[in-house]
Amino acid sequence: QSVLTQPPSASETPGQRVTISCSGSSSNIGSKSVSWYQQLPGTAPKLLIYRNNQRPSGVPDRFSGSKSGTSASLAISGLQSEDEADYYCAAWDDSLNGLYVFGTGTKVTVL
Amino acid sequence: QLQLQGSGPGLVKPSETLSLTCTVSGGSISSGSYYWGWIRQPPGKGLEWIGNIYYSGSTFYNPSLKSRVTISVDTSKNQFSLKLSSVTAADTSVYYCARTGIAIFGVAYYYMDVWGKGTTVTVSS
Repeated sequence: QSVLTQPPSASETPGQRVTISCSGSSSNIGSKSVSWYQQLPGTAPKLLIYRNNQRPSGVPDRFSGSKSGTSASLAISGLQSEDEADYYCAAWDDSLNGLYVFGTGTKVTVL
Repeated sequence: QLQLQGSGPGLVKPSETLSLTCTVSGGSISSGSYYWGWIRQPPGKGLEWIGNIYYSGSTFYNPSLKSRVTISVDTSKNQFSLKLSSVTAADTSVYYCARTGIAIFGVAYYYMDVWGKGTTVTVSS
């Protein structure tokens, strides 16, 4: 059912920068704000970014979000081993009378 | 600090109704203009939004589940609940409750900023 497409995996060495893309459409990313979640193995997801580029308190500024048109991106700079996790984008979608949609998820591996 | 704790049976029989409750502590469910809701994650798969309830009681459901889902709120107990009827093995998942959004000057912003730890529900006879 996912209408937000992410690459299944991404990897980089410690200290480097990794970027995750999230592709949507005019009914979701194109007109609504995007949020990003980090899910460590066996735990509940954690909010990383909301309203496209805002970080909740406590989230390091190594995490940044951006949006352009119908796509969004999450960048992680200064990659650390503890960043190895699944990452999901999400947004409200105005189709089908409205629903909240998550991306397909990206597994980030720290080499 | 706001905390959410989900509870309910870990095993449900096919065709029966799954019932879960989320207890909110460290804050009132009816203070502020917040949404509360449920998200699920099948084993080894991604996240799926089930639905939201506004503190006033207005509900929003995933169209793919709408015919089977009911979300309700009990402000006196600071709880909100999920009922999913006619379950099958495909409903086996970890079910998360979360604070799912906020209304600011009449505009809704949806994002899950506080999550419960998750309740594993298996549908099996």
